[in-house]
Amino acid sequence: AQSVTQLGSHVSVSEGALVLLRCNYSSSVPPYLFWYVQYPNQGLQLLLKYTTGATLVKGINGFEAEFKKSETSFHLTKPSAHMSDAAEYFCAVSNNAGNMLTFGGGTRLMVKP
Amino acid sequence: NAGVTQTPKFQVLKTGQSMTLQCAQDMNHNSMYWYRQDPGMGLRLIYYSASEGTTDKGEVPNGYNVSRLNKREFSLRLESAAPSQTSVYFCASREPHSAANSRLHFGNGTRLTVT
Repeated sequence: AQSVTQLGSHVSVSEGALVLLRCNYSSSVPPYLFWYVQYPNQGLQLLLKYTTGATLVKGINGFEAEFKKSETSFHLTKPSAHMSDAAEYFCAVSNNAGNMLTFGGGTRLMVKP
Repeated sequence: NAGVTQTPKFQVLKTGQSMTLQCAQDMNHNSMYWYRQDPGMGLRLIYYSASEGTTDKGEVPNGYNVSRLNKREFSLRLESAAPSQTSVYFCASREPHSAANSRLHFGNGTRLTVT
């Protein structure tokens, strides 16, 4: 069975500071990994995904994530936070068949002026 | 292009009442999903449909039923609502090739309260 753990249900940063949202996964097979973002009163939108190949993945809005197999991690980063980045972020892992996407508990990012 | 549309947006039910949540997508996707979102628990899969005419249980199917009416529509029914079903419900569809690395497209959710 696969699972996802997001460390920190709430993260607060100042505008312009580094954003680091942590995600660890467990999977019995090479995983497909995703980060989704949810803005208030909206559904989830894909930020980025890792499938195969380059372990550093770039997404929308300046976010990127690095797949580290040895650490079973897929942490999300952004060099400089913007007020518009305030949202909830979900890490997810897909099984090979693609019919089961397992989400972490989410991390709410708050950006202080 | 509306994407994934869910109705209603809000609903309040009394314990024991029934209701159906509607979902439709206009992207010609084969796979559709119902998730529930609860604080601190992320999204949990209730049911999914890999293609028209098929449905399968997800992680938390108890108390729910689904119907894949046609390729566009996938409804979720609560036969006898319970307070534990108070949640935000999201419908999603998967890009056409249905590969494990394809993205989900989400609706804006239905906020359900059961009193």
